[in-house]
Amino acid sequence: QKEVEQDPGPLSVPEGAIVSLNCTYSNSAFQYFMWYRQYSRKGPELLMYTYSSGNKEDGRFTAQVDKSSKYISLFIRDSQPSDSATYLCAIGKGGGADGLTFGKGTHLIIQP
Amino acid sequence: DTAVSQTPKYLVTQMGNDKSIKCEQNLGHDTMYWYKQDSKKFLKIMFSYNNKELIINETVPNRFSPKSPDKAHLNLHINSLELGDSAVYFCASSRDQETQYFGPGTRLLVL
Repeated sequence: QKEVEQDPGPLSVPEGAIVSLNCTYSNSAFQYFMWYRQYSRKGPELLMYTYSSGNKEDGRFTAQVDKSSKYISLFIRDSQPSDSATYLCAIGKGGGADGLTFGKGTHLIIQP
Repeated sequence: DTAVSQTPKYLVTQMGNDKSIKCEQNLGHDTMYWYKQDSKKFLKIMFSYNNKELIINETVPNRFSPKSPDKAHLNLHINSLELGDSAVYFCASSRDQETQYFGPGTRLLVL
């Protein structure tokens, strides 16, 4: 079983819809959770990060973590065509200079 | 100002050559990383450097060697390039060893 599982999509939704992106992970040692957005031919851009179970909101974005289920989600409200990108979940163990373990990314398309 | 920068942006070279990719960060971060993103867009850690000391080294061929002249720079040297080395290489940096900030990437194509 891979450490982080993420549906690669593509996920296509109409403009204005609520988007739900998800990842599951297998190792309970992971302590912090991030979402990155990557536009084509660009570097990953940090969107959200959280350490604990529950919700964290930032504008139109909400990150949700359920450590008991090892499940993380990113919700995008009022989706815009400019949100079209690949969304990568990333998780880390903390406490040292470990790299992040990334999901394969979900390709999101917002149709105008 | 660009926070994490990489040069070159594109690199096309022949098999067997030796090449380097440079990375610089102006964020004052202590830890820098190299990641490889393959053709399926899968992003995987290669190296990290903390205060000029190699902290982790994943199962990467020893043809790849990171070199850090100072805290703000982490360069990647690749010897005897192979076709399978073609990928996008991303540099990243972190202050707290958790949130990481990525550069724009270097697209390497080995012919």
